[in-house]
Amino acid sequence: SQQGEEDPQALSIQEGENATMNCSYKTSINNLQWYRQNSGRGLVHLILIRSNEREKHSGRLRVTLDTSKKSSSLLITASRAADTASYFCATTPQGAQKLVFGQGTRLTINP
Amino acid sequence: DTAVSQTPKYLVTQMGNDKSIKCEQNLGHDTMYWYKQDSKKFLKIMFSYNNKELIINETVPNRFSPKSPDKAHLNLHINSLELGDSAVYFCASSQDAAGAYEQYFGPGTRLTVT
Repeated sequence: SQQGEEDPQALSIQEGENATMNCSYKTSINNLQWYRQNSGRGLVHLILIRSNEREKHSGRLRVTLDTSKKSSSLLITASRAADTASYFCATTPQGAQKLVFGQGTRLTINP
Repeated sequence: DTAVSQTPKYLVTQMGNDKSIKCEQNLGHDTMYWYKQDSKKFLKIMFSYNNKELIINETVPNRFSPKSPDKAHLNLHINSLELGDSAVYFCASSQDAAGAYEQYFGPGTRLTVT
């Protein structure tokens, strides 16, 4: 069954603004990952945050994880047109050897 | 060099036919996966292999048969194709099966069944 729910399903902002996407999940996890998918392409891994971590940064990306609320957020600062893509969160449930994906957020950056 | 490659990129075929999709990774990873992405972009795991051994089979119809001749290759054969099989199929690999590492995805194979 689907583990993650992402919010919003679609987000449209102006170039230079910050974009925030949220992900909620249902069961205890070992880690949570964020992926980007450009139209017609495969998924690209962005960042992995383990269940004992609360925040992680990578370049313009900032991910937070709140295991008590079973939620995560992805912040992209100073957005660029090239950031236009779908963003997926994926969790590794405890005891499972697989990733379970959310339905994704479609991000559009307007020039 | 392409890390995870799939062939073909597009596949158009008629109902009832049998087709195969091939996947290769040159990352030296132990674990490979097949995912199906439907028209709503929902991505769901189908199979996972670790060192050529099947470890995940997510209640996929037995018309779908994965085969891993070695740990760098994972192929997917589909018998008696149905309209509902139309989707994008992604191959992926990771360092191990524990889910502790990121996965690397291929470019996808868009399958259209008419």
